[in-house]
Amino acid sequence: DAKTTQPNSMESNEEEPVHLPCNHSTISGTDYIHWYRQLPSQGPEYVIHGLTSNVNNRMASLAIAEDRKSSTLILHRATLRDAAVYYCIFIRRGDMRFGAGTRLTVKP
Amino acid sequence: DADVTQTPRNRITKTGKRIMLECSQTKGHDRMYWYRQDPGLGLRLIYYSFDVKDINKGEISDGYSVSRQAQAKFSLSLESAIPNQTALYFCATSDSGKDVNYGYTFGSGTRLTVV
Repeated sequence: DAKTTQPNSMESNEEEPVHLPCNHSTISGTDYIHWYRQLPSQGPEYVIHGLTSNVNNRMASLAIAEDRKSSTLILHRATLRDAAVYYCIFIRRGDMRFGAGTRLTVKP
Repeated sequence: DADVTQTPRNRITKTGKRIMLECSQTKGHDRMYWYRQDPGLGLRLIYYSFDVKDINKGEISDGYSVSRQAQAKFSLSLESAIPNQTALYFCATSDSGKDVNYGYTFGSGTRLTVV
């Protein structure tokens, strides 16, 4: 089953780094790890993805464990606009299944 | 204009009524999806379509049906709406062969209330 496990909620202070963990022990060798976030009253939006190597883009960084059974989304400097629910997902056989995600609260 | 457009944005309907939610996309993607989201929960997959002739059930398809009228259009129907189908519904699209790298694009959602 394509299931991930994330903490229900996390808090961060504005302008500090945030590390959002995800466990995906059932991942297979060809499953890409994707992260999405959902801002209030909006649909999910793509953040970042990776397979084996760590990845960086303008929004975030993704650190993938060597055994690929876990990953961490890193927001280098949290802003108030980063307050959202963050979902860690992997796509299998063309469909994407969401868990409950992590609700990130950013305090000014 | 949005890449993925859902109509209506909000709808209130009565129990037992048939209702259709529509989704259209300008991304040129071949794959389309319908999800529902209940308060405080993640999204659950209802149906997905890999092309016009390929439609598949997701996790929670009971009580729903879909129609892929064209590559750009995918509609979701509730044949006889019931109150526990009150939820936020999202349509999404992806490009086969590229979705592992580029992910999905979501619409803004349709808020459906069944009274």
